[in-house]
Amino acid sequence: DIVMTQSPDSLAVSLGERATINCKSSRTILNSSDNNNYVAWYQQKSRQPPKLLIYWASTRQYGVPDRFSGSGSGTDFTLTIDSLQAEDVAVYYCQQYYTTPLTFGPGTKVDIK
Amino acid sequence: QVQLVESGGGVVQPGRSLRLSCAASGFTFRSYAVHWVRQAPGKGLEWVAGISYDGSKQDYADSVKGRFTISRDNSRSTLFLQMNSLRPEDSAVYFCARDRGNTRWYWSDYWGQGTLVAVSS
Repeated sequence: DIVMTQSPDSLAVSLGERATINCKSSRTILNSSDNNNYVAWYQQKSRQPPKLLIYWASTRQYGVPDRFSGSGSGTDFTLTIDSLQAEDVAVYYCQQYYTTPLTFGPGTKVDIK
Repeated sequence: QVQLVESGGGVVQPGRSLRLSCAASGFTFRSYAVHWVRQAPGKGLEWVAGISYDGSKQDYADSVKGRFTISRDNSRSTLFLQMNSLRPEDSAVYFCARDRGNTRWYWSDYWGQGTLVAVSS
């Protein structure tokens, strides 16, 4: 199984500042046949289901504000929230869909400082 | 608009069975793979099972293989999860989620609100 790890476990950022979340896979999730990284990012607010933010490591889902961006390749990925807003308080998960079983990172909790 | 509505959760004793349902609307259900993903109280997300658009392919997490069965009825736009031999560690909110693809698994772009399963004596 591909193990996904995230860092930090939690972070507190001032409103308007940048939040950076890291995700690492136990082996590459870059598919050399199509040159795509098989990783997605989700946001889960309290008592709500997850919401898709990013897929293919860096493609923003329709309707997601452009302050959210994804980057990385191979085994190391980053979700960046530029200019943090109050409504961004949530837990963020990365997920690999390179192979079964689909696996999620443990989550990173983002709060306002 | 896309909607996924889970039902069938509840309190059940260890060793017993439960069947979850997920009613889909607002899209062509028969064209998409769908998954069950669970979340234990205060914990992270765990993929449970996935089924292809036509039901011909199913995959399971090792933790539920041999005990849970995912199925679908495309004529009723409904996804199911038959859960047998339930254990306390199966206690969680169970979400159904639509996959972007139809046979190969990708990301999940729509999620239901979830249904709570509690396994306790």
